Amino acid sequence: QVQLVQSGGGVVQPGTSLRLSCAASGFTFGSYAMHWVRQAPGKGLEWVAVIGSDGSEKSYVDSVKGRFTISRDRYQLTVFLEMNRLTAADTAMYYCARMITPYDAFDVWGQGTLVSVSS
Amino acid sequence: SYVLAQPPSVSVAPGQTARITCGGNRIGGKSVHWYQQKPGQAPVLVVYDDSDRPSGIPERFSGSHSGNTATLIISRVDAGDEADYYCHLWDSGSDHPWVFGGGTKLSVL
Repeated sequence: QVQLVQSGGGVVQPGTSLRLSCAASGFTFGSYAMHWVRQAPGKGLEWVAVIGSDGSEKSYVDSVKGRFTISRDRYQLTVFLEMNRLTAADTAMYYCARMITPYDAFDVWGQGTLVSVSS
Repeated sequence: SYVLAQPPSVSVAPGQTARITCGGNRIGGKSVHWYQQKPGQAPVLVVYDDSDRPSGIPERFSGSHSGNTATLIISRVDAGDEADYYCHLWDSGSDHPWVFGGGTKLSVL
């Protein structure tokens, strides 16, 4: 069964850090680029970050550059999002999703994990 | 950065056909994908590459693409189709290449 299972997240104070995980199963993890997409409360979807299938290429939305780091572990079949210097604007549901080529659809999504940044 | 424009809401009576549009500059040369998101759930892909359906998605869901507009078409709408729908594409010339439309709330009257 193809699935992405997310963990991490929670309520944190501004300026702190958090790491999200997304564990893959049921497919050849190394063949897919992995993305993080977020959704602020009551808002639409926003692409956040991508890591290439071999981990060599990474890209971020401007608002998280220098604060967030995406990585992947080919043995644990997991993609991570390390989030530093969190602000209230980062409060959102975070989803991981897979994609083979850049112009493909996100055909499988994780269940989502909530990040709430509040003092 | 590239912008995809969707109407905030569309309403349709049960059994009728819903059309949700997604407009963007030079969208005709790009593959457009559509997602359905119900409250409290992750998005689900319902149409990819303009008009193809993933396995398990009913034939009632289809897509079209003309000029600067892509359209998600849901025929014989029922209450279970009430959800938010997002279009998405990849714009290779953009700093933020993976772009989503703002979403459309489909209400079944």
